[in-house]
Amino acid sequence: QKEVEQNSGPLSVPEGAIASLNCTYSDRGSQSFFWYRQYSGKSPELIMSIYSNGDKEDGRFTAQLNKASQYVSLLIRDSQPSDSATYLCAVNEKLYQKVTFGTGTKLQVIP
Amino acid sequence: EAGVAQSPRYKIIEKRQSVAFWCNPISGHATLYWYQQILGQGPKLLIQFQNNGVVDDSQLPKDRFSAERLKGVDSTLKIQPAKLEDSAVYLCASSFFFGTSGPSLQETQYFGPGTRLLVL
Repeated sequence: QKEVEQNSGPLSVPEGAIASLNCTYSDRGSQSFFWYRQYSGKSPELIMSIYSNGDKEDGRFTAQLNKASQYVSLLIRDSQPSDSATYLCAVNEKLYQKVTFGTGTKLQVIP
Repeated sequence: EAGVAQSPRYKIIEKRQSVAFWCNPISGHATLYWYQQILGQGPKLLIQFQNNGVVDDSQLPKDRFSAERLKGVDSTLKIQPAKLEDSAVYLCASSFFFGTSGPSLQETQYFGPGTRLLVL
């Protein structure tokens, strides 16, 4: 069973701090990695996608991918209370067209 | 561009009853997904369609769940009969394409608002 694992949290950070969210995956055939944000009672919305090893930055968000370690992370700089949500890691395994979501990490940004 | 549409938004039924959910994906999106999300958990893929063909239904409880996408556009997910443990949010998502030639932004999934099901 291919797995995507995340710490369920909650992860509490003060406003203005850097929040670091982590995700590990078991399938070495995985090629595409996504971070979704889900507010309580709402549907997931895409934050970042990453396909190659290294860092990808978009505004206050940075995704990091290390395929050798099977590890993907999301950094949120200058965290705001509006960033408080559950962050879902999703992994697409191309060969068998499998899509797997992690259980999500709940982030709380304290004003 | 219109997003993914789902109906109904809420449904309350008693166990052993049947229920159906409808999804209309973003225009032009070939791939359609149905997920079950139980409170406090991540979305669990139930079934994935590419046009009107099934790509993956390995986690669909086929004794009670069924889904179809007859014309390759909108889709219906049915539960018959429902059990208490089926209480969850049912999310529909679509993506432009999900191919095997390499990673692509075309794989990005866009989610509908979901249907909240409560089975009593």
